[in-house]
Parts: sequence; C-alpha cells; structure tokens
Amino acid sequence: EDQVTQSPEALRLQEGESSSLNCSYTVSGLRGLFWYRQDPGKGPEFLFTLYSAGEEKEKERLKATLTKKESFLHITAPKPEDSATYLCAVQSGAGSYQLTFGKGTKLSVIP
Amino acid sequence: DTGVSQNPRHKITKRGQNVTFRCDPISEHNRLYWYRQTLGQGPEFLTYFQNEAQLEKSRLLSDRFSAERPKGSFSTLEIQRTEQGDSAMYLCASSLGATGGETQYFGPGTRLLVL
Repeated sequence: EDQVTQSPEALRLQEGESSSLNCSYTVSGLRGLFWYRQDPGKGPEFLFTLYSAGEEKEKERLKATLTKKESFLHITAPKPEDSATYLCAVQSGAGSYQLTFGKGTKLSVIP
Repeated sequence: DTGVSQNPRHKITKRGQNVTFRCDPISEHNRLYWYRQTLGQGPEFLTYFQNEAQLEKSRLLSDRFSAERPKGSFSTLEIQRTEQGDSAMYLCASSLGATGGETQYFGPGTRLLVL
C-alpha cells in the first residue's frame, strides 16, 4: 500500500525566511510525485510533477527535488501570499492512476 | 475559464436524503477522478473513469455511492441515504492521460454538510 508522510504539519515563517517542506513516501514503483498548493475552501492547485530521483523543478520562489525515498519543496524568501497548505501525492506504477496524498503542511508566512 | 468546474459549490442536506454532484472536466481530458477530503486530511481517492468506463473504485466507495460518466464528458456522483459521516469536500480532477506520470487538475470542490 502506497504511503505518504509530510512534515512538519505546520510551519510559521517570517517573510523572507527560507525553509523546506518534506514529503517521505513508500510506493511500489513510482510513476510520478506531485506537489499541489491548496488555499482554504478551494481545490488543490497543481505546482510540480517529478518522475525520477535527481529531478528538480522550479517556479518563482518554489523548488521541488526528488530522491528515491523523499521529496523536498524549498521556499526561498517567502511572501505572505505563499501562505497555504502544500500537499504531496504519489502515483504508483502498479497499474492504478489514483493519487495517494499526504496530510499536507500548513505554511503561514508572517509579514 | 477552461478549468475543471463543479456544481453545486455547497450543499446542505438532511440525513437520509439523496444528493448529486456534477463535474465538468477540462475538454479533451479523457480521465476523470473523484476524491473526498475531510478537514485536516489530504484528498482520498474514490473512483476513476477513462472516457465513459469506470475502471477503478476505492473500498471507501460504499454501495450508497454511485458515479457515472455518460458519453465520456461530464460526470455525476450520487450519494443515497446520506449520513453525517458523508460530510466532506468532494473533489473532481481530470487528466489528459499519457504514459509515465500524468498531472491531475482539480476543480474547486463541492462542500457537503449532512445535518
């Protein structure tokens, strides 16, 4: 059974204070690892897809990296508008297309 | 806006009533997914369609739940005899479908409250 664990559960940062969110996973053959951002009361918004260990992707202040056991979402010089819950999900290569999500990390960026 | 749309956005019902939600995927996306999300949790998979065929169902999808995707376009999720434990956000996602990993794009969700 695929499992995803995200840490920390919540993170408070001062504006401009860089940090990283962790996503540890166990999966029977990784087809893809996905990062989403979710604002309160809204659906998840797609950020990144990573397919293989060593891959990195960047978008504005966010950078996602992938190893064989975990992924990191690095946030550089965050702004208050980056406050949201960040969700990690995996899709296994076992013939299913469903995503298995972690519980998310709630990020608060204080001005 | 060409994203995934869901209706209604909010639904309040009494226990025992039936409810139906609609999802319109991104046009040309042939895969459609339903997830359920409760407070403080990540979304949990319910079911998946490729075109009009329902190919996978989670054990979370009890007999009271049924989903359809006639003609491979929009989809409906019906919950019969609702229970208070059905209160959640119901999310729909769609994807184009490709070998290797694929990206699922989510709609805004339908928030259900069962009184």
